[in-house]
Amino acid sequence: AIQMTQSPSSLSASVGDRVTITCRASQGIRNDLGWYQQRPGKAPKLLIYATSSLQSGVPSRFSGSGSGTDFTLTISSLQPEDFATYFCLQNYNYPFTFGPGTEVEIK
Amino acid sequence: EVQLVESGGGLVQPGGSLRLSCAASGFTFNNYGMNWVRQAPGKGLEWVSGISVSGAITYYADSVKGRFTISRVNSKNTLYLQMNSLRVEDTAVYYCAKGGVVRGALDVWGKGTTVTVSS
Repeated sequence: AIQMTQSPSSLSASVGDRVTITCRASQGIRNDLGWYQQRPGKAPKLLIYATSSLQSGVPSRFSGSGSGTDFTLTISSLQPEDFATYFCLQNYNYPFTFGPGTEVEIK
Repeated sequence: EVQLVESGGGLVQPGGSLRLSCAASGFTFNNYGMNWVRQAPGKGLEWVSGISVSGAITYYADSVKGRFTISRVNSKNTLYLQMNSLRVEDTAVYYCAKGGVVRGALDVWGKGTTVTVSS
């Protein structure tokens, strides 16, 4: 199975900050990667699919980039509702695998 | 409104069985692949299983292969997960998730159902 890593595992940031989260795959996955946001006690929510496509209804401050093995989620200006945990998911092949998550906390 | 509602969770002893259901509404169920994802207490997300539109093709994580069976009844807009030989480490919230236009884009999620495996 493809292994996914994320960095950092957690970060502290202020409202208005630019935040970048990285995800790395153990082998090339083309652009078959998505990003999910999970708030405490809630189900995950799809933010980005196919590396850089913004899911309908997701604010444009979220963006994704990358290809092959290295991918990035960027939040251009952090908002109070963005404090959550973010996971990447490779859907290049089965079994799909998630990264371990990045917790974004309030500084 | 597009909605997924899981049910069937509960407390079960190690070695026992449980069947989860996921009722779908608000979209054409038989046009989309479906998935189960779980989250152990305080842990990250783990993709568990997926199934094709027709139900003919199924996929499993190595951790559940041979013990869990995913299925669907399109006429009932319902997804299932039969879980046998349950282990303590299967304790988790189990989410049903709809595949999107892009196969692995899980674009709709249920609220989850809790499975606790304990003696």
